[in-house]
Amino acid sequence: DAKTTQPTSMDCAEGRAANLPCNHSTISGNEYVYWYRQIHSQGPQYIIHGLKNNETNEMASLIITEDRKSSTLILPHATLRDTAVYYCIVRTRGYSTLTFGKGTMLLVSP
Amino acid sequence: NAGVMQNPRHLVRRRGQEARLRCSPMKGHSHVYWYRQLPEEGLKFMVYLQKENIIDESGMPKERFSAEFPKEGPSILRIQQVVRGDSAAYFCASSPTGVEGTEAFFGQGTRLTVV
Repeated sequence: DAKTTQPTSMDCAEGRAANLPCNHSTISGNEYVYWYRQIHSQGPQYIIHGLKNNETNEMASLIITEDRKSSTLILPHATLRDTAVYYCIVRTRGYSTLTFGKGTMLLVSP
Repeated sequence: NAGVMQNPRHLVRRRGQEARLRCSPMKGHSHVYWYRQLPEEGLKFMVYLQKENIIDESGMPKERFSAEFPKEGPSILRIQQVVRGDSAAYFCASSPTGVEGTEAFFGQGTRLTVV
């Protein structure tokens, strides 16, 4: 799997958009970008994934650059409950397992 | 539709005992993955199973650990002769297929404490 680079931590004010960056400069054409988060002591929660196009669901938006070397996860209106470690994962097509890195600790404050 | 169910949520074992962790995947999911998270560390892949088959066990310790996913019933992660270093949170995930582009959903984990 391609390696990903994320900031160690980020802060966000409640109600504002949280933009979490991820670099995956060695990504190849058949690799998907996945985002998960882990709220303290809970199981990882699936957020969103994409290959080339931008994606949006009820939780978040995923913006992938045209060259696919980086992406941004956007939580449009962060709440205190969004405080968690966010993992950006590049998953090779045809290979099922997810390799978790250290992720970004997002702290949402009042 | 119930999510991935893991039990027990908490398990205490004395050194040398056996630990059995169970994972019931989401309905319709036939692919199961086990991960371990040591205290203050990240999630580490252990094993990937389909019904009655081990697909990838590259993350499993060579001794004392085994996993199965029988035709009927939950997936089981078995740790024999537990040691203090086995104390960790063990998470199970399931997906409907192993095909790219499918998401995997995680359970709430089993927290194993070896005393």
